[in-house]
Amino acid sequence: GNSVTQMEGPVTLSEEAFLTINCTYTATGYPSLFWYVQYPGEGLQLLLKATKADDKGSNKGFEATYRKETTSFHLEKGSVQVSDSAVYFCALRGSGGSNYKLTFGKGTLLTVNP
Amino acid sequence: AAGVIQSPRHLIKEKRETATLKCYPIPRHDTVYWYQQGPGQDPQFLISFYEKMQSDKGSIPDRFSAQQFSDYHSELNMSSLELGDSALYFCASSTSGRGGETQYFGPGTRLLVL
Repeated sequence: GNSVTQMEGPVTLSEEAFLTINCTYTATGYPSLFWYVQYPGEGLQLLLKATKADDKGSNKGFEATYRKETTSFHLEKGSVQVSDSAVYFCALRGSGGSNYKLTFGKGTLLTVNP
Repeated sequence: AAGVIQSPRHLIKEKRETATLKCYPIPRHDTVYWYQQGPGQDPQFLISFYEKMQSDKGSIPDRFSAQQFSDYHSELNMSSLELGDSALYFCASSTSGRGGETQYFGPGTRLLVL
């Protein structure tokens, strides 16, 4: 079955530091990949997505590139802000048939200090 | 833009009681997904519906049932509630189709079973 392995947290950074959260996946076919963010006490918000190999998703300074050869979708941001403090989930959506449910990684808690 | 609506936002029940959670998808979205997120956990897929028919089923207990109505809203019915059912329940909606369709999440219903 599909699975997502995500970098364990928590991650604590200072403002303006560089962020990388690693995500690798196992899936058959051609999955779509997503990063969702969950702020404290809130629901899941889509951060970015990529639907095919070599696609780069980007939003709000965050980027991730769909690498089929390494089955990875690492999240990066060049300069984090205190407001980026949240839990980040990497997720995979299967392809074909009825396999459209999202499979999530365990989530990575990011704390950015001023 | 309209988002996914879930009600109620918070619910407190006693053990062995029943609960009904409601989800109103984004207009023109015909597919609904339900996820359960335990404390500090990643969201787990429960069940999904497309055009009022069940399209996929995950780790949903037999005590739970769900359906999608003609106006595409969905209800998750939970009976014989247990302490372990305390969680955040998310509904997500998407358009149908093949691959890449993004699931947009509602704010969630926080269920506490005492």
